Amino acid sequence: EVQLVQSGAEVKKPGESLKISCKGSGYSFTSYWIGWVRQMPGKGLEWMGIIYPGDSDTRYSPSFQGQVTISADKSISTAYLQWSSLKASDTAMYYCARRAINSPSFDYWGQGTLVTVSS
Amino acid sequence: DIQMTQSPSSLSASVGDRVTITCQASQDISNYLNWYQQKPGKAPKLLIYDASNLETGVPSRFSGSGSGTDFTFTISSLQPEDIATYYCQQYDNLPGLYTFGQGTKLEIK
Repeated sequence: EVQLVQSGAEVKKPGESLKISCKGSGYSFTSYWIGWVRQMPGKGLEWMGIIYPGDSDTRYSPSFQGQVTISADKSISTAYLQWSSLKASDTAMYYCARRAINSPSFDYWGQGTLVTVSS
Repeated sequence: DIQMTQSPSSLSASVGDRVTITCQASQDISNYLNWYQQKPGKAPKLLIYDASNLETGVPSRFSGSGSGTDFTFTISSLQPEDIATYYCQQYDNLPGLYTFGQGTKLEIK
């Protein structure tokens, strides 16, 4: 069974750093792109970026380029999303999702990680 | 960048109604258009991929059509469990970027 399991909710202060994770199982982790999607409270879905764990090829939405870093450790089948200096506006639910192999769609999703940034 | 316009932003319909949501791309995206359902407090779920293909396990009352710039998502007979927000998502293959539509919140009348 394909599963993407994300790390737990985080409460951070502005200026702090953070790295959240997404662990894949039940499939060949290195053969599928993993994307990250932001959903701010009460708002829609925003695509942030995507990584191919096989060779760490990474693409970013222009809106998120330079604001976050996406990485992956294929030895433990885990993708990451990290911030070096959080802002209150980073408060959101973050989802990881697997890109289907033959279609630019996201066929499996993690359960989401809620990040709250507040002083 | 390719812009996506999804409409309507909200929709109220009765059980059994036929429901239609549209997405329009600012330029030709071939059939690189997908539809998702998101229920409150849950992750999105893929319903339709490549404009018109039904994801495995998704009820046949859901369908999609279109190509190029204009796409349609249809629920043929609305069920109470279909209450959710629906999103289109496009893929721009040249820079390899993805974009979601603004979403359509579907409610029961």
